[in-house]
Amino acid sequence: KQEVTQIPAALSVPEGENLVLNCSFTDSAIYNLQWFRQDPGKGLTSLLLIQSSQREQTSGRLNASLDKSSGRSTLYIAASQPGDSATYLCAATTTSGTYKYIFGTGTRLKVLA
Amino acid sequence: NAGVMQNPRHLVRRRGQEARLRCSPMKGHSHVYWYRQLPEEGLKFMVYLQKENIIDESGMPKERFSAEFPKEGPSILRIQQVVRGDSAAYFCASSQQGQSEAFFGQGTRLTVV
Repeated sequence: KQEVTQIPAALSVPEGENLVLNCSFTDSAIYNLQWFRQDPGKGLTSLLLIQSSQREQTSGRLNASLDKSSGRSTLYIAASQPGDSATYLCAATTTSGTYKYIFGTGTRLKVLA
Repeated sequence: NAGVMQNPRHLVRRRGQEARLRCSPMKGHSHVYWYRQLPEEGLKFMVYLQKENIIDESGMPKERFSAEFPKEGPSILRIQQVVRGDSAAYFCASSQQGQSEAFFGQGTRLTVV
């Protein structure tokens, strides 16, 4: 059974700092790994999707990597801004079954001005 | 191309009433997933449907919850005789194929009073 864990649960950093969010999964047979952003009381915004054959994806100041062998993904945020404050969720889609997303519990990020 | 549309965005029900949550998938998408996010928790898979078929309902509570995705019209998540513990955000996602990227709606926030 796939389990997804995110560390840390919460993070507070000063503006301008580079930071790394971690996501680990127990079943390496994933179809893809996706990172989302969720603002309080809002829906999910997709940030980056990494397919199982890929090692990383980049979009602007965001870079996500995937290491299936170790069961880990990281989201790197460069030059953080107060507007980056949100909860970041990672989700794995397994190859077995119905491609449903298994979510981590998220990292709550606060970037201080 | 409109995204995944969920309505209502907010729903208040008294204990014992029924709640009906609607999800219109993106155009051309015939796969729908429902997820529930309890307060301060991550998103949990509930059910996966294709047109007129329930494919995986392993995350659905055994009683009071049902889902459908008819040939015409939106997918419906129905909760009968709601209790306070049903208060949560319910998210719908749709995909073109089961293994394609899923796109999420903005969610319906159910409050049971």
